Amino acid sequence: DTAVSQTPKYLVTQMGNDKSIKCEQNLGHDTMYWYKQDSKKFLKIMFSYNNKELIINETVPNRFSPKSPDKAHLNLHINSLELGDSAVYFCASSQGGGGSTDTQYFGPGTRLTVL
Amino acid sequence: GDSVTQMEGPVTLSEEAFLTINCTYTATGYPSLFWYVQYPGEGLQLLLKATKADDKGSNKGFEATYRKETTSFHLEKGSVQVSDSAVYFCALTRNYGQNFVFGPGTRLSVLP
Repeated sequence: DTAVSQTPKYLVTQMGNDKSIKCEQNLGHDTMYWYKQDSKKFLKIMFSYNNKELIINETVPNRFSPKSPDKAHLNLHINSLELGDSAVYFCASSQGGGGSTDTQYFGPGTRLTVL
Repeated sequence: GDSVTQMEGPVTLSEEAFLTINCTYTATGYPSLFWYVQYPGEGLQLLLKATKADDKGSNKGFEATYRKETTSFHLEKGSVQVSDSAVYFCALTRNYGQNFVFGPGTRLSVLP
């Protein structure tokens, strides 16, 4: 059983298009995240949701809109894609209860290429 | 704000060499500290963690000790293998695990 899954694994698209990446976790966690990893492997948090509510929204263009239909899903929709959006996007989840439960579990990543 | 600093590498070692990857952090209070590993083409996986001062996390021959006095969490392994080649991320969390801060990652290459 995959703990955190993302689809698609690869996404190639033209500038200006709108695309979505889906994420699902079957760990029963309360908190989910989206990260962007650039070509130098630097990992930057984009959003965090706790029980379907937005709790972290870093400085991300408003072309990026997360949607959490329930606490097991956090999808990322991107409008008007730009060349600079090319990266690997990771979804993650954690229980968020503090102490020994503070561990994030990552999905396999979605490699987005904007042409 | 909270931050994590680690040597960026790349680090290149021969098989069976000793590994140290330094990690220091800035945070108020008592964060939990983590090392994550990313193998080529994969997502990040938890390698080890420590949730309070002087705790030692260990897994797969890797160790790291939470040192509050030096705000450090250095990763060590006594004898690396080719299969350890990956990118290693140091991270911390406060705020009940809802906000993780990652270091820039250290790429390790182990040569046979």
